[in-house]
Amino acid sequence: GAGVSQSPSNKVTEKGKDVELRCDPISGHTALYWYRQSLGQGLEFLIYFQGNSAPDKSGLPSDRFSAERTGGSVSTLTIQRTQQEDSAVYLCASSNRTQAKNIQYFGAGTRLSVL
Amino acid sequence: SQQGEEDPQALSIQEGENATMNCSYKTSINNLQWYRQNSGRGLVHLILIRSNEREKHSGRLRVTLDTSKKSSSLLITASRAADTASYFCATGGNAGGTSYGKLTFGQGTILTVHP
Repeated sequence: GAGVSQSPSNKVTEKGKDVELRCDPISGHTALYWYRQSLGQGLEFLIYFQGNSAPDKSGLPSDRFSAERTGGSVSTLTIQRTQQEDSAVYLCASSNRTQAKNIQYFGAGTRLSVL
Repeated sequence: SQQGEEDPQALSIQEGENATMNCSYKTSINNLQWYRQNSGRGLVHLILIRSNEREKHSGRLRVTLDTSKKSSSLLITASRAADTASYFCATGGNAGGTSYGKLTFGQGTILTVHP
């Protein structure tokens, strides 16, 4: 596609429920990243995919968080048993790792609200 | 932990004035990037400066980098109301390591340009 697409744009859920957030990267971009942005804060790295592998998942805050990527394209971030502190904007980015630079292209994000 | 610290946290100026934002970082870098985020949107890449560069220009943007002080500044000249946004610096991992591509963001500067 023309840009990074994320869905849903907004998600309201009840504490304890599971949620899935989807990211569709720019076509041909081999690298995909998930970040989290809490209100008024900078971005917190969660996980990085190169193809379908995740060489760096050091930012996942707990084992309730998991992510996968299939076909070297779409990625899903799953949060199980959501907690109120999970409320944030979840941003996905992709990049073309074959370039020497690591300029990342971001989607508009999914705003998650846990009640 | 946050790599970058930015100041000021908030900056309010009149249209036509220049806006300067600063960023400091802690570890060695390959390059430093600046991103812009409009309210409710994803981040947009503005400019990248390599570690062996001291200054770079792009339109009304001027970025400087001082690796000895581990600091960078972003200058927006002749600001416009449309420049109102949050601005983040970001540093990347070292090429060849598993952290390649992962960006570490500062807390950001909220810029408001009054018409």
